[in-house]
Amino acid sequence: AQKITQTQPGMFVQEKEAVTLDCTYDTSDQSYGLFWYKQPSSGEMIFLIYQGSYDEQNATEGRYSLNFQKARKSANLVISASQLGDSAMYFCAMREGSSYTGGGNKLTFGTGTQLKVEL
Amino acid sequence: EAGVTQSPTHLIKTRGQQATLRCSPISGHTSVYWYQQALGLGLQFLLWYDEGEERNRGNFPPRFSGRQFPNYSSELNVNALELEDSALYLCASSSTAGEQYFGPGTRLTVT
Repeated sequence: AQKITQTQPGMFVQEKEAVTLDCTYDTSDQSYGLFWYKQPSSGEMIFLIYQGSYDEQNATEGRYSLNFQKARKSANLVISASQLGDSAMYFCAMREGSSYTGGGNKLTFGTGTQLKVEL
Repeated sequence: EAGVTQSPTHLIKTRGQQATLRCSPISGHTSVYWYQQALGLGLQFLLWYDEGEERNRGNFPPRFSGRQFPNYSSELNVNALELEDSALYLCASSSTAGEQYFGPGTRLTVT
C-alpha cells in the first residue's frame, strides 16, 4: 500500500487565488511527521512546512498552511495568494517513528503534484 | 548560513564505471541522507548517515555505498553503473531529529 498518496498529478490556479494540494498518508505509528517540499525545475527540494503528529494546531509558514486531519490521515497543503513563482512540483513526505528507533528519520515521498500558476 | 552543497552538478559516466558524488551538510548538522529521484519512480530513500555511522539503508543493491567523514560531509559511491542508475541524486542534512534540508542535487547520466 502507498504510504503517501498524492492524487493530483497536475493542478492549475490563477495568480492571487488560493490552492489546496491533497495528501493522504498511511501509518500505524503514533509518532510521525509530515512535510511538504517544493521542487522547481532546477531540481532542488525546498522545505516548506512541517506538522508533527502530536501537534494540535495546524502548521503555518507565511502563505503556506497545512490542513492536518489526523482521523482522516490527510495533510493537505494550502497556498494562499498564489504567485507565478509558486509554479513547481510539490511533494508530501512522511517520517515515521523517531530517529532513535532505527528506522526513523528517512522520508517517504508521494509522487508529487505539478502546480502551474497562471496569469 | 550556507545550505547543503553537492558536487558535481552533472556527471556523465558509461555503463560499468564507478561514480562518486559528494555532499556537504549545513553547519551543525550531523545527519546526511541520500535520495535517488529517477524519472517515473519518484524520490527513493537510499542511505542515512549520522555521526559517521550508516544508520539506515533503502532497498538498493550493495553497489550503492557511501560514507560520512569526521566533518560530517558524505560521499555516495555507485559501482558497476547501470543505465537505470541515471537519476537526480539528492543529499539532505538535518540535526538529529530535525527537518531535512536538501541540496541542489547531482544529475547522473549513464550511457
